[in-house]
Amino acid sequence: SQQGEEDPQALSIQEGENATMNCSYKTSINNLQWYRQNSGRGLVHLILIRSNEREKHSGRLRVTLDTSKKSSSLLITASRAADTASYFCATDLRSSASKIIFGSGTRLSIRP
Amino acid sequence: GAVVSQHPSWVICKSGTSVKIECRSLDFQATTMFWYRQFPKQSLMLMATSNEGSKATYEQGVEKDKFLINHASLTLSTLTVTSAHPEDSSFYICSARQEPNEKLFFGSGTQLSVL
Repeated sequence: SQQGEEDPQALSIQEGENATMNCSYKTSINNLQWYRQNSGRGLVHLILIRSNEREKHSGRLRVTLDTSKKSSSLLITASRAADTASYFCATDLRSSASKIIFGSGTRLSIRP
Repeated sequence: GAVVSQHPSWVICKSGTSVKIECRSLDFQATTMFWYRQFPKQSLMLMATSNEGSKATYEQGVEKDKFLINHASLTLSTLTVTSAHPEDSSFYICSARQEPNEKLFFGSGTQLSVL
C-alpha cells in the first residue's frame, strides 16, 4: 500500500532556481524522511524530520512538516544539474514502527 | 556511512526458474530489513519486512510462497522469487535499518527480467 502522494509528479527547472516538492500522507507518523534516487539505482537518505518538529535544514535542503495537514515539503535551493533525480518522501508509521512507506515520488530535472 | 550490498545487480532467467537476491549490511548489524519492488517511473512498493531470526511480515497482496524471505543473520537477508514468470520482472530493492537509527540504508537494487 502507498501512504504518501507527492506533487508535482515531475518538475523541470533552470539551474540555479529553487525546487519545491510536496508530500501528503494519510496516517499518524513517527517521522517523515526524504530520499533521492538516481535512475536505476538504490535510494539515498537526505533528511529526516520527526513528528514533533516543524522545520529542518541540511545544506541546500529545507524540509517542513505540518502534522495537522499531514503534509511535508522539500525545498532544494540553488539547484544544480547534479540534483536531477527522483525524490521520495517516506513515512515511518506510528502504528507499526518497523514499516516505512514511500510516496509516489517527484522526478526533478535541472536544465543547464 | 553504512553500506548495504545487494546482488546480483541484474539477472535474466527463464520462466519457471527461481532466483535468489542477497542483501548484506557490510558494516553494521541490521535489526530490520525491508524488501521493495519498483516498476519503471513508479514508487517503491513495500513487499515485506524481515527481522533477524523471525518470519517475515508480508504486505497485503504479496504471495509468501512466491517471494520467500529469509533473514538468517543480522547482516544478511535473501529474497527468492520462486517459479518466476514474466510478470515478476521488476526492480527489487532491499534496505536495512539498525535500531535505534531511524533512517534506511539501501542496496543498489536488482533488475530481474524473466523471459
